[in-house]
Amino acid sequence: GENVEQHPSTLSVQEGDSAVIKCTYSDSASNYFPWYKQELGKGPQLIIDIRSNVGEKKDQRIAVTLNKTAKHFSLHITETQPEDSAVYFCAASYPGTGTASKLTFGTGTRLQVTL
Amino acid sequence: DSGVTQTPKHLITATGQRVTLRCSPRSGDLSVYWYQQSLDQGLQFLIQYYNGEERAKGNILERFSAQQFPDLHSELNLSSLELGDSALYFCASSVRGWTEAFFGQGTRLTVV
Repeated sequence: GENVEQHPSTLSVQEGDSAVIKCTYSDSASNYFPWYKQELGKGPQLIIDIRSNVGEKKDQRIAVTLNKTAKHFSLHITETQPEDSAVYFCAASYPGTGTASKLTFGTGTRLQVTL
Repeated sequence: DSGVTQTPKHLITATGQRVTLRCSPRSGDLSVYWYQQSLDQGLQFLIQYYNGEERAKGNILERFSAQQFPDLHSELNLSSLELGDSALYFCASSVRGWTEAFFGQGTRLTVV
């Protein structure tokens, strides 16, 4: 089955700096890669996603890049703000049969943005 | 607010007991997914239903079962509970497979 590795496990940056979180996946058939942000006591919130036919996607201060050959994808957050502090999860999804689907998650990165 | 509703938010029960967790998906979503989140295991996929039928299965224990009803809400049943079953249980929904999945706020289960 799919295996997703995520690094680093913790990341501390100063407000205004950039943060980068990296993930690798094992199944070359995976074709959908979402990123989730989880704040304390809340459920994971989808913040951005990318499909395998796209190399990069950007939404304001957040961007995701995908390298299918190397089987890795990254989350980039620019101009970080204190409210960006949370745990971030990457995930990968591969084609199932018909409507079957499952997301395999990385182990999470705890991002702390300091003033 | 993701639009996915989970009840109850908190549940404390004793070992050996059985509990039922409930999930109402976003309006229009046909797929429901259940995930378990514990400190040492991260987010683990349990099971997926699509329009009432089981579609994908993860490492779900035999003591656990789920179903999706005609109105598309889903229930996760956990029986013969053990201390190690203490975790956050999340439900997510999507329009169908391979589309964006939105998570509920979770049910925190504590087995004592």
